[in-house]
Amino acid sequence: GQQVMQIPQYQHVQEGEDFTTYCNSSTTLSNIQWYKQRPGGHPVFLIQLVKSGEVKKQKRLTFQFGEAKKNSSLHITATQTTDVGTYFCAGRSGGYNKLIFGAGTRLAVHP
Amino acid sequence: GAGVSQSPSNKVTEKGKDVELRCDPISGHTALYWYRQSLGQGLEFLIYFQGNSAPDKSGLPSDRFSAERTGGSVSTLTIQRTQQEDSAVYLCASSADRRNTGELFFGEGSRLTVL
Repeated sequence: GQQVMQIPQYQHVQEGEDFTTYCNSSTTLSNIQWYKQRPGGHPVFLIQLVKSGEVKKQKRLTFQFGEAKKNSSLHITATQTTDVGTYFCAGRSGGYNKLIFGAGTRLAVHP
Repeated sequence: GAGVSQSPSNKVTEKGKDVELRCDPISGHTALYWYRQSLGQGLEFLIYFQGNSAPDKSGLPSDRFSAERTGGSVSTLTIQRTQQEDSAVYLCASSADRRNTGELFFGEGSRLTVL
């Protein structure tokens, strides 16, 4: 069945350093979404990518969708303590377009 | 309400008991998902509804798990004869997109502890 792998599992950075998390799917995706879950909270939608090779930016966050629509990345420039949380990618494929989540990357930012 | 509402927020039960978890999606949202999140882990897909029908039940871990949705709105996830490995946060999410391509709005979750 469809699988979405995400690495790394955990990343610890100093405030001001950059951070990247990578997502790979076993199948071609119709779209990919990214969510952020703060400690003790629920996942909150960040962005959706649909087109092959698409790149979107939200302030210090840059999201990319691979040319083959099987991988994606999220890059945060100059991390801040407010970036702390777990970042999940989630991909859709198949007839019902169900959303399958990666395992998440937990980001810790130290001041 | 304005968001996805789940109840109970916390449930402690004894092994072997049945539990029901309820999800009230955002009004008008046609798609509804149930996920399970164990401590420090990712989101495990359980079931997806479009309207009242569940085209994909492939994620339900065993026949002890069932879910229904009535009136295209409220959904109930039932776990029969609970086991300790069922302990997790059960998250419900809804989406407005009938083609099931849009963003999901999550509830706060129901934390289940099976003793």
